[in-house]
Amino acid sequence: DIVMTQSPDSLAVSLGERATINCKSSQSVLYSSTNKSFLAWFQQKPGQPPKLLIYRASTRESGVPGRFSGSGSGTDFDLTISSLQAEDVAIYYCQQYYSSPLTFGGGTKVEIK
Amino acid sequence: QVQLVQSGAEVRKPGASVKVSCKASGYTFTGYTITWVRQAPGQGLEWVGRVSTYNGNRDYAQKLQDRVTMTTDTSTGTAYMELRRLRSDDTAVYYCARPLDGQNHLLLGYWGQGTLVTVSS
Repeated sequence: DIVMTQSPDSLAVSLGERATINCKSSQSVLYSSTNKSFLAWFQQKPGQPPKLLIYRASTRESGVPGRFSGSGSGTDFDLTISSLQAEDVAIYYCQQYYSSPLTFGGGTKVEIK
Repeated sequence: QVQLVQSGAEVRKPGASVKVSCKASGYTFTGYTITWVRQAPGQGLEWVGRVSTYNGNRDYAQKLQDRVTMTTDTSTGTAYMELRRLRSDDTAVYYCARPLDGQNHLLLGYWGQGTLVTVSS
């Protein structure tokens, strides 16, 4: 199984400031034929299901604000919120969909400082 | 629009079974797999398994494969997940999910609202 490791576990950022979360996979999730990494980011608010934000490591899902961006390739990835808003308080998970079983990172809780 | 509506919360005693449903609408049911993910209270997300709505093929998490069964009813557009010999550590919210599109059946783009299963004596 591919192990996904996120850091930090929690993050407190002032409104309008940048937040960056890192995710590492135990093996590459780069699909060589397309040169795309099969890495997704989800946002989860209390009492809600996860919401897909980013897929293929850097493609924003429709309707996701432009302040969310994903970067990285292979085994090392970042999710950046360029200017934190109050509604961004949530837990963020990375997930590899390169191979079964699907595996998730442990989550990063983002709060307002 | 795509919707996945799950059955309501359940309470079971250890050793019992539970069957959670996930009714799909807004798309062709047999065109996309259904994946199940669970989340224990205050914990992260754990993949339970997936079922092809086209041919019934299944792929389960190794730790659950002797206790879980996933099925579909194409006549009603409903997927089911049954978990047997329940233990306290099966207490979790169980989500069903559908791929975002037809390009990668492992990329989960649509989620049900979740079903809380509580196992307690």
